[in-house]
Amino acid sequence: AQKVTQAQTEISVVEKEDVTLDCVYETRDTTYYLFWYKQPPSGELVFLIRRNSFDEQNEISGRYSWNFQKSTSSFNFTITASQVVDSAVYFCALSEERPGTASKLTFGTGTRLQVTL
Amino acid sequence: DADVTQTPRNRITKTGKRIMLECSQTKGHDRMYWYRQDPGLGLRLIYYSFDVKDINKGEISDGYSVSRQAQAKFSLSLESAIPNQTALYFCATSGPQLAGVSTDTQYFGPGTRLTVL
Repeated sequence: AQKVTQAQTEISVVEKEDVTLDCVYETRDTTYYLFWYKQPPSGELVFLIRRNSFDEQNEISGRYSWNFQKSTSSFNFTITASQVVDSAVYFCALSEERPGTASKLTFGTGTRLQVTL
Repeated sequence: DADVTQTPRNRITKTGKRIMLECSQTKGHDRMYWYRQDPGLGLRLIYYSFDVKDINKGEISDGYSVSRQAQAKFSLSLESAIPNQTALYFCATSGPQLAGVSTDTQYFGPGTRLTVL
């Protein structure tokens, strides 16, 4: 069975600090996908990134970066120079490859990030 | 216009009432999903559908039913609502990109906040 663990329930930082959100996953499949979603206070879920299990390259998008390490089953998310607008709940999720049917997402319990001035 | 819409956005109802939550999408996706979000528990899958002829139970389907009326519409019903079904409900869609490559990234609607008294 799949499992995603986000051990950090809440993190508070001051604006301009860097912050890393941890994600550890469990799966028996060799082909799988990892995701990060952002849920701002308004409540919607915003897709941030998708990474497949064969691509361990780290990715950077502006102030956001992701570190995927299969050896430790981790897919961590770093925000550089955090801003108040980054305040949200962030979810890590995992899906397994299921050709011919829909792939189910397993979510972690989320990390609430509070960025203050 | 939003690609994934949910109606209603908020609903308060009483125990025992039948409730239907509706989801429509204009993304052209063939896969649709219903999740519920409870504080501290992340998102949990209720039902998912690969196409109009395929309906599957998710992690927590008891007390719920679904209908896939068309590729673009997927409704969730609570036949007899109970207070512990009070939650935020999300619809999501996924499917092949226009180029024919499947990414299976799920895109979420804005959510329906349901309160059962």
